[in-house]
Amino acid sequence: KAGVTQTPRYLIKTRGQQVTLSCSPISGHRSVSWYQQTPGQGLQFLFEYFSETQRNKGNFPGRFSGRQFSNSRSEMNVSTLELGDSALYLCASSLNPDTQYFGPGTRLTVL
Amino acid sequence: GESVGLHLPTLSVQEGDNSIINCAYSNSASDYFIWYKQESGKGPQFIIDIRSNMDKRQGQRVTVLLNKTVKHLSLQIAATQPGDSAVYFCAENIAGANSKLTFGKGITLSVRP
Repeated sequence: KAGVTQTPRYLIKTRGQQVTLSCSPISGHRSVSWYQQTPGQGLQFLFEYFSETQRNKGNFPGRFSGRQFSNSRSEMNVSTLELGDSALYLCASSLNPDTQYFGPGTRLTVL
Repeated sequence: GESVGLHLPTLSVQEGDNSIINCAYSNSASDYFIWYKQESGKGPQFIIDIRSNMDKRQGQRVTVLLNKTVKHLSLQIAATQPGDSAVYFCAENIAGANSKLTFGKGITLSVRP
C-alpha cells in the first residue's frame, strides 16, 4: 500500500504571502491530521479532518486553516505568512483514531 | 496542562548494545501511547504502540513498557544497529481527543560503530 504523500516537498515564500499544502492519505484512511514541526516547539497538532469535517483543532491562529475532500485528500492553507511559520509541516493519516502514519512533510521557508 | 516530556535530549550507545529511551507523561487520561522514529529529512515512522490496559508490548527488536503509576513510558531497542540512529518521539493520545497526538520533544539516539 502506498504511504502518505505530501506535495510540494519544499516551498519558499515571503512574508505576507499565503501557501497551500496538499496531503494524500493512505488508501482507505479517512482521518487526516496536520502537525507543525519546529526545532523550538517540536511537533504540534494543527487540526484533524474526518469525512470532510474538522474534528479537532490545536492552538494555532486562524491564519492556519484546512479542508478535506470527498476522496479524503486534505489541504492546509496558511495566510499572511510570518517568519515564524517556517517549519516542517507533516500530514498523518489513520484508519482509526489512534495509529497515525506520517508523510515525509513539506519544508516551508518564509523569507 | 497535558505534556509529554523526554528525560534526556541525546543518547549515545555502542553498536550491539541495548538502548533504553525514557519518556514521562503528565495526563492520567491518556490511554494510548506511540513511539515514533524520525530520520533526517523524513517524517516520523511508527515503531510500536501500547494501550493503557497493558504494561508491556514487544515488537521486532523493540519493547515498550508502560508504568501508569509513575506515568512513565520507555522504549527498549535490542542489539542496537547503526540504522537505529535517529530522533525518537513518544506521543500520547487522550481518550476522546480523536486523533490529536501530543508529542514529546524528541531524543537523539546515536549509535557508535
